[in-house]
Amino acid sequence: DAKTTQPPSMDCAEGRAANLPCNHSTISGNEYVYWYRQIHSQGPQYIIHGLKNNETNEMASLIITEDRKSSTLILPHATLRDTAVYYCIVRANNDYKLSFGAGTTVTVRA
Amino acid sequence: ETGVTQSPTHLIKTRGQQVTLRCSSQSGHNTVSWYQQALGQGPQFIFQYYREEENGRGNFPPRFSGLQFPNYSSELNVNALELDDSALYLCASSLGEIGTDTQYFGPGTRLTVL
Repeated sequence: DAKTTQPPSMDCAEGRAANLPCNHSTISGNEYVYWYRQIHSQGPQYIIHGLKNNETNEMASLIITEDRKSSTLILPHATLRDTAVYYCIVRANNDYKLSFGAGTTVTVRA
Repeated sequence: ETGVTQSPTHLIKTRGQQVTLRCSSQSGHNTVSWYQQALGQGPQFIFQYYREEENGRGNFPPRFSGLQFPNYSSELNVNALELDDSALYLCASSLGEIGTDTQYFGPGTRLTVL
């Protein structure tokens, strides 16, 4: 059973920040939030993950609310190549697998 | 690029046949996980191999089996193919088997069963 809720789709304007929400209201203290994306017919690409602090890398920023019940993935300057399905996944620190839901289909428009 | 490679890229089989898919993990990674992704759905976990032993298994029948070799590369074998086995098969490698070890995916093998 999916532990996260994401909007099925969203549009973004090229060059603007894309903010992708994820709800994980039943998250436990030992569960991380992972984000992957999958461009059509390719393997999922790891983006970022975090436990409770905000995280940033060269691809994106992850903002986790203080109660950890939701998070937002931020793509600072969306490009057409960011068009993909984005998956938010909650994974326990002792869990060997990733449990994917349906994800959010993000379309970046020129 | 993740350094995870899979072969073949595409494969067509007929119902009842057997298939072997291969995965080479990223250098230094000792864990390989396999996923099945049907069209329009998210990937579903099949099983994981850690140091040549099956470490965990999803809700897949025994005709899905695997191996991991001393160099940590891996095979996924599917016997008695069914039409519903048509999917993108993904492998992911990681430094270890637990939740703090990020999994990096290969490009996948597209299997079509006729």
